[in-house]
Amino acid sequence: ETGVTQTPRHLVMGMTNKKSLKCEQHLGHNAMYWYKQSAKKPLELMFVYNFKEQTENNSVPSRFSPECPNSSHLFLHLHTLQPEDSALYLCASSHARGAGGDTQYFGPGTRLTVL
Amino acid sequence: KNEVEQSPQNLTAQEGEFITINCSYSVGISALHWLQQHPGGGIVSLFMLSSGKKKHGRLIATINIQEKHSSLHITASHPRDSAVYICAANTGNQFYFGTGTSLTVIP
Repeated sequence: ETGVTQTPRHLVMGMTNKKSLKCEQHLGHNAMYWYKQSAKKPLELMFVYNFKEQTENNSVPSRFSPECPNSSHLFLHLHTLQPEDSALYLCASSHARGAGGDTQYFGPGTRLTVL
Repeated sequence: KNEVEQSPQNLTAQEGEFITINCSYSVGISALHWLQQHPGGGIVSLFMLSSGKKKHGRLIATINIQEKHSSLHITASHPRDSAVYICAANTGNQFYFGTGTSLTVIP
């Protein structure tokens, strides 16, 4: 248990569906992250929120829409995804972004399959 | 070319063997992280280091800043060490991740 939870753990959706991934951290951190992990590829940072404000968006397609209502919760809203979006989506949290060398604590991930 | 390169990509060892995983990076860093990812996806942070050497149980991580190289060593390996080990370079603004080393320890 890292103190970061993600739901659901597995998700299968069609290309016309709309779904949301949820991440919650109980560590008192102020920075939260969404990562995508595809097979045989390095982790890809998607979004960073620092004190509820989005500070990074690494050229992620608009079919992925993040939401951070407070420092403890992070959502990733999904709509009209493509099969190539199938991957493991990992959430992480840390003390404030930019602390230099901050350790990130990862959730267990959501395994997403787009049909 | 990836900013972080790991070797080997895959490693199989007998229980009890001493294991070394290497990481080379090309960016300036504030810290180098070693992560462990078990089957099923969960990632655990093992070490964060910016110089020298750290030890935690049977795990040892070293870094040579001048050579931009880090190693993760596992002494007396055990089947429960089977996982993917990921090296990540933190520039202070951004993380760069290696593709991971998949380790299997056979009883």
